[in-house]
Amino acid sequence: DAGVIQSPRHEVTEMGQEVTLRCKPISGHDYLFWYRQTMMRGLELLIYFNNNVPIDDSGMPEDRFSAKMPNASFSTLKIQPSEPRDSAVYFCASRLSAAVSYEQYFGPGTRLTVT
Amino acid sequence: AQSVAQPEDQVNVAEGNPLTVKCTYSVSGNPYLFWYVQYPNRGLQFLLKYITGDNLVKGSYGFEAEFNKSQTSFHLKKPSALVSDSALYFCAVRDIYPGGDYKLSFGAGTTVTVRA
Repeated sequence: DAGVIQSPRHEVTEMGQEVTLRCKPISGHDYLFWYRQTMMRGLELLIYFNNNVPIDDSGMPEDRFSAKMPNASFSTLKIQPSEPRDSAVYFCASRLSAAVSYEQYFGPGTRLTVT
Repeated sequence: AQSVAQPEDQVNVAEGNPLTVKCTYSVSGNPYLFWYVQYPNRGLQFLLKYITGDNLVKGSYGFEAEFNKSQTSFHLKKPSALVSDSALYFCAVRDIYPGGDYKLSFGAGTTVTVRA
């Protein structure tokens, strides 16, 4: 398996622009998580999905952030409009609900820079 | 909510020396505890977990962790550190929602530097 795939790996954009981050979870995994990592705030859970349905979006910082999971193999995190304080590394992770290990598998992350 | 704390932002050790990364937890009920490692420019990778059973848990890359209920700790250890162990280490706890679902709540992370 290729693991969790994220694209792009790096994104540089100007303030006010729309940014879309993409994630393909591991095939068969029914949970998908979006995290944000910054030096100041560490690793934050933004939102997670179970069977393509958003379950907890309490970590989404503002209405400028939105996430969708139209099918089991694809999810997007959109920021519109972007601001410099959104600069961070965004991780997607997935796991299998039936897994005894409780292990989450993380993608390589998207490094977002908003100028 | 369940939580973990990593009291040290940074740990520095010489190669070949023992490595310990500290983690304490605050949970109601039995804790499910985890360690993840993040190498530079990579996503987090699972190292090991404690669910139940032996207090000493062995994981990947020669790491182990000791669950101590009386001290509410779950410290990560390696008897002989390697330069390649230099990374960011996260402790995590299973945090259960009222409906029975759960998420992992991560600590702030500890940066480990192993010098040659």
